[in-house]
Amino acid sequence: SAVISQKPSRDICQRGTSLTIQCQVDSQVTMMFWYRQQPGQSLTLIATANQGSEATYESGFVIDKFPISRPNLTFSTLTVSNMSPEDSSIYLCSVVVSHAANTEAFFGQGTRLTVV
Amino acid sequence: KNEVEQSPQNLTAQEGEFITINCSYSVGISALHWLQQHPGGGIVSLFMLSSGKKKHGRLIATINIQEKHSSLHITASHPRDSAVYICAVRRPNNDMRFGAGTRLTVKP
Repeated sequence: SAVISQKPSRDICQRGTSLTIQCQVDSQVTMMFWYRQQPGQSLTLIATANQGSEATYESGFVIDKFPISRPNLTFSTLTVSNMSPEDSSIYLCSVVVSHAANTEAFFGQGTRLTVV
Repeated sequence: KNEVEQSPQNLTAQEGEFITINCSYSVGISALHWLQQHPGGGIVSLFMLSSGKKKHGRLIATINIQEKHSSLHITASHPRDSAVYICAVRRPNNDMRFGAGTRLTVKP
């Protein structure tokens, strides 16, 4: 299994500022994913963060707005840059762990961001 | 059409009732997950299924790969079961697609 510590759990930020969300995993994982859940919407993939390479962004998400770091196999950050009220969402990190014949997904607790 | 469809969107039940939430998907998957999201936004993984049926306490999850359909059942529901239940499919490349969620309210 994998335990994910995601910080902060919530924040209220001024528009125009940036917030960095951290995701720490208690074991080494190859693939980490960042998701966004806008109010009333389902979770949507922002990007896949693989260690040692640039993150792969989904359509509609760009690196300048959501820069991602993945310095090692246990840690990643997502920054929400130049925030506007439309960025108010829950942001979630997830990892996929393969062991033996089984592959499982684990989730952080989420970061509830409010931009005012 | 969304890749993952859940029904119902909202569900209100009396304590003790048997509850079923349905999920249909239209893409190829490696596994299907049922997740529980609490009001604060935190997500807990309840089940991961690639075939058949799993049971954990009062929760039962089934999947029919041929029909691309899964169900989550809650027996003897309790107010503490009130949450949003999300069906998510993990694609072969390991990223996930999520349903819109079912908001369950169990009244005492």
